[in-house]
Amino acid sequence: EIVLTQSPATLSLSPGERATLSCRASQSVSSYLAWYQQKPGQAPRLLIFDASNRATGIPARFSGSGSGTDFTLTISSLEPEDFALYYCQQRNNWPTFGQGTKVEIK
Amino acid sequence: EVQLVESGGGLVQPGGSLRLSCAASGFTFSSYAMHWVRQAPGKGLEYVSAITTNGGSTYYANSVKGRFTISRDNSKNTVYLQMGSLRTEDMAVYYCARDADSSGYPYWYFDLWGRGTLVTVSS
Repeated sequence: EIVLTQSPATLSLSPGERATLSCRASQSVSSYLAWYQQKPGQAPRLLIFDASNRATGIPARFSGSGSGTDFTLTISSLEPEDFALYYCQQRNNWPTFGQGTKVEIK
Repeated sequence: EVQLVESGGGLVQPGGSLRLSCAASGFTFSSYAMHWVRQAPGKGLEYVSAITTNGGSTYYANSVKGRFTISRDNSKNTVYLQMGSLRTEDMAVYYCARDADSSGYPYWYFDLWGRGTLVTVSS
């Protein structure tokens, strides 16, 4: 099983700041990585797939990069609605998720 | 409206069974592989199972293999998860999710999720 490790566990930032979230895979997943956003009491929402492709309707402030074992989700300027939990997920092998990064208001 | 609505969760004793349903609407259900993902209280996401468009292929996490069965009824736009020999570690919110690709074969990303149904396993 491919283990995804996300860092940091919590990111404390202010609206308007840039957020950089990391996801590291225990072995190469090529570009087969997605990012999801989850808010309390809600289902996850697909943001990015295949490392860098924004899903339908996702604002341009969300971008993804990386390949192999190291991936990054960047939120260029945090909006109030972006404070949430973010998960990465790989599909190179049996799907697995990272443990999540919480983006909280500083 | 494009949506997935899960039902069937509840309290069950260890060793018991439960069947979850997920009703789809607003899209061509029969064109998409479907998935189940679960989230234990306060924990992260765990992938559970998948089924192809015609039900010909099914996939299971090792943790549920032999105990859970996924199926679908395209005439009812519904996917099911039959859960048996339930354990306390199966306690979670179970989400139904649509595959992100409409080719019929799993692409293994999930672009539409339901709100989930809670399964509690306790004596």
